[in-house]
Amino acid sequence: SQQGEEDPQALSIQEGENATMNCSYKTSINNLQWYRQNSGRGLVHLILIRSNEREKHSGRLRVTLDTSKKSSSLLITASRAADTASYFCATDVNSGTYKYIFGTGTRLKVLA
Amino acid sequence: DTAVSQTPKYLVTQMGNDKSIKCEQNLGHDTMYWYKQDSKKFLKIMFSYNNKELIINETVPNRFSPKSPDKAHLNLHINSLELGDSAVYFCASSHSGSNTQYFGPGTRLTVL
Repeated sequence: SQQGEEDPQALSIQEGENATMNCSYKTSINNLQWYRQNSGRGLVHLILIRSNEREKHSGRLRVTLDTSKKSSSLLITASRAADTASYFCATDVNSGTYKYIFGTGTRLKVLA
Repeated sequence: DTAVSQTPKYLVTQMGNDKSIKCEQNLGHDTMYWYKQDSKKFLKIMFSYNNKELIINETVPNRFSPKSPDKAHLNLHINSLELGDSAVYFCASSHSGSNTQYFGPGTRLTVL
């Protein structure tokens, strides 16, 4: 069964606004990652948060993790048109291999 | 220099044909992956090799056969192509001590 599911599926905001995307997963994890995919391109790693961390920052990105609710959120502050992309969460399956399950992504559109 | 490269970028072929997709990484990583992304953007892992050894083999038809001639290369051969094989196939690599995966640009396969 699919591990990660993002919400919302699509999000459209004005430049300068904040964008929040959520990810829910089903089983215990060691860590969770967020990736960005620009149209027609491969995924690019953004940030990793470990199961013993609750919040992490990287530039304009803020990620939270609530292991009790099995959910994570990605906040992009002061969005720019260049942030337009699909954003995916990926969870490890805690199996000792480097196997990650990706969600279906949130398509973010930032309007200039 | 491209870190993870795939060839070809586009592949259009008839049902029943056999085709191969090649992947090369120049990052010195020892783990490589194949993912399939369908039309709904769902990204599903297919295979993973670590030091040329198969470590992840998901429920994939045996028409799909990966081959890793060395740590820097992971090819995917598909026999008897079917309409449902149409998708974008992504290669990725990582170092076995790291969770971060680096993705190639993808190969868009269209089966007619």
